Amino acid sequence: EAGVVQSPRYKIIEKKQPVAFWCNPISGHNTLYWYLQNLGQGPELLIRYENEEAVDDSQLPKDRFSAERLKGVDSTLKIQPAELGDSAVYLCASSLNGAAGELFFGEGSRLTVL
Amino acid sequence: AQSVTQPDIHITVSEGASLELRCNYSYGATPYLFWYVQSPGQGLQLLLKYFSGDTLVQGIKGFEAEFKRSQSSFNLRKPSVHWSDAAEYFCAVGARNTDKLIFGTGTRLQVFP
Repeated sequence: EAGVVQSPRYKIIEKKQPVAFWCNPISGHNTLYWYLQNLGQGPELLIRYENEEAVDDSQLPKDRFSAERLKGVDSTLKIQPAELGDSAVYLCASSLNGAAGELFFGEGSRLTVL
Repeated sequence: AQSVTQPDIHITVSEGASLELRCNYSYGATPYLFWYVQSPGQGLQLLLKYFSGDTLVQGIKGFEAEFKRSQSSFNLRKPSVHWSDAAEYFCAVGARNTDKLIFGTGTRLQVFP
């Protein structure tokens, strides 16, 4: 069984440029999460989806960040425009409905903003 | 508000030695508790979890953790560390009936031969 797939693994951009990250969750997992992991820190939730619906986006900086999960499968996280402080690892995770915390994580997308 | 504290940023042990990683949580009721491991360049992997019942839980890779309500702790232990255990370890707390997790800042484990 394939795990959570994220791309790209690494991205280097200049500030004010846009960037997008893609996530394909484990087949059958209807809950999808985007986490932000700063260097030396634990992951912090950005947004959580139940199927197509964003059920928790309270930590998503909506002035520059957006996310979508069309058809309740793949998801895209976008930053526009990127700032220096956005340099971090963006983790995607998925779980079965009601999995109570048993999240399966992708390898992450490391963003460097110059 | 929920929070998780991992007091040790970095721990170094010799291969074969025992290991204990500390985790303290703050939560108004009995939480769900988890330990995840992150190897370099990899995503997080679930080691073990506590929901209810026996306060000593067994996980993968020979790890175990004990829930102590009186101390608000959920420390991770392993009797004999292997070099492949070198990684970052994250404790997390979750509210019941939700998949939302709050992670600690992590403990980096280094293993010397």
